[in-house]
Amino acid sequence: RKEVEQDPGPFNVPEGATVAFNCTYSNSASQSFFWYRQDCRKEPKLLMSVYSSGNEDGRFTAQLNRASQYISLLIRDSKLSDSATYLCVARARQHSGGYQKVTFGTGTKLQVIP
Amino acid sequence: NAGVTQTPKFQVLKTGQSMTLQCAQDMNHEYMSWYRQDPGMGLRLIHYSVGAGITDQGEVPNGYNVSRSTTEDFPLRLLSAAPSQTSVYFCASRTYLGAGSYEQYFGPGTRLTVT
Repeated sequence: RKEVEQDPGPFNVPEGATVAFNCTYSNSASQSFFWYRQDCRKEPKLLMSVYSSGNEDGRFTAQLNRASQYISLLIRDSKLSDSATYLCVARARQHSGGYQKVTFGTGTKLQVIP
Repeated sequence: NAGVTQTPKFQVLKTGQSMTLQCAQDMNHEYMSWYRQDPGMGLRLIHYSVGAGITDQGEVPNGYNVSRSTTEDFPLRLLSAAPSQTSVYFCASRTYLGAGSYEQYFGPGTRLTVT
């Protein structure tokens, strides 16, 4: 089982729609969570951190459920420019102390259709 | 401010050849890392460095060496290329944003094919 699991999609949604992605993590030592966006053949870029209380950045809302070990990303009023792959990331401190293990999900592909 | 730069963008190697992927950042970040990205696998950490002179292994270090003689540069060396090393390689540097949050800046990637 992968440490961070995402539905690969693709999610094909019309412009203006609301779409939600979930991501589950299995490492209970995971402390910090992030969503990255990766455009085709480009590098990943940080979209937003995910805080325990949930957080919003414009049309994007991220939530964390530690009890069920999942995080979610909600995109409202989808734009064509939102078409990309969204990577879920979990960071956990190793038992040895210094190294924080960062695990990337394989990504969920979103295609926003005109 | 160029951010994180990587060279080359594309490379084809024959099995057994060696090469160095270059990475540089101009943001004075202490933490730098190398990832590889393969279909269906997600990004996997190869090596990382928490500062000049300090490097350590990540999740998939075999077949790769790194060094960090300056804050700016973090080259990745493939000692004897194998077809299993065909991948997209990303270099990244990281800064702490506070409240347990970091931002990683990735370079544009190097697409490596080993035949």
